[in-house]
Amino acid sequence: QKEVEQDPGPLSVPEGAIVSLNCTYSNSAFQYFMWYRQYSRKGPELLMYTYSSGNKEDGRFTAQVDKSSKYISLFIRDSQPSDSATYLCATSRGSEKLVFGKGTKLTVNP
Amino acid sequence: DTGVSQNPRHKITKRGQNVTFRCDPISEHNRLYWYRQTLGQGPEFLTYFQNEAQLEKSRLLSDRFSAERPKGSFSTLEIQRTEQGDSAMYLCASSFSAGELFFGEGSRLTVL
Repeated sequence: QKEVEQDPGPLSVPEGAIVSLNCTYSNSAFQYFMWYRQYSRKGPELLMYTYSSGNKEDGRFTAQVDKSSKYISLFIRDSQPSDSATYLCATSRGSEKLVFGKGTKLTVNP
Repeated sequence: DTGVSQNPRHKITKRGQNVTFRCDPISEHNRLYWYRQTLGQGPEFLTYFQNEAQLEKSRLLSDRFSAERPKGSFSTLEIQRTEQGDSAMYLCASSFSAGELFFGEGSRLTVL
């Protein structure tokens, strides 16, 4: 079993839709949870950073962590064509390495 | 630009040649990471430095791979005797606080 599982998609939605992206993880020692956005042939860009369980909101983006079910989610409201990218979930125990999911490719159609 | 800088952005080489990539982290960041990413996959951890000390190396990092971070500033990743399976994007990241990594644009390696 991989440490972080993420459905690779692809996911295609119309502009304005609410997008839900999800990951599961296996190691209960993970404390830090991140979402990165990666455009084609570019490096990952940090979107959301959460410590432990709970919700975090930043503009149109909301990250949720449920440590009891080892489930992490990213919601995008009022999705825009510029949101089209690959979204990577990642987690770590602390200052060590991040463990990434495979990424979900999202296309938002105008 | 105060972000993570990687050079070269793209390297094409023949099998058996050596290649070296350089990473300049964000100046106040003491941690530096190298990852490798292939098409359709998430980044895979290779190695990690805190200041000049290399604290962890992945089993992915074979004897042909070596990374250094002299004086705790920039880092280099060298691949000796490249193989076609080494073709990938090599990503560098730096951080100051736990878990919050900032990535560069990557160095794409093509081995012919």
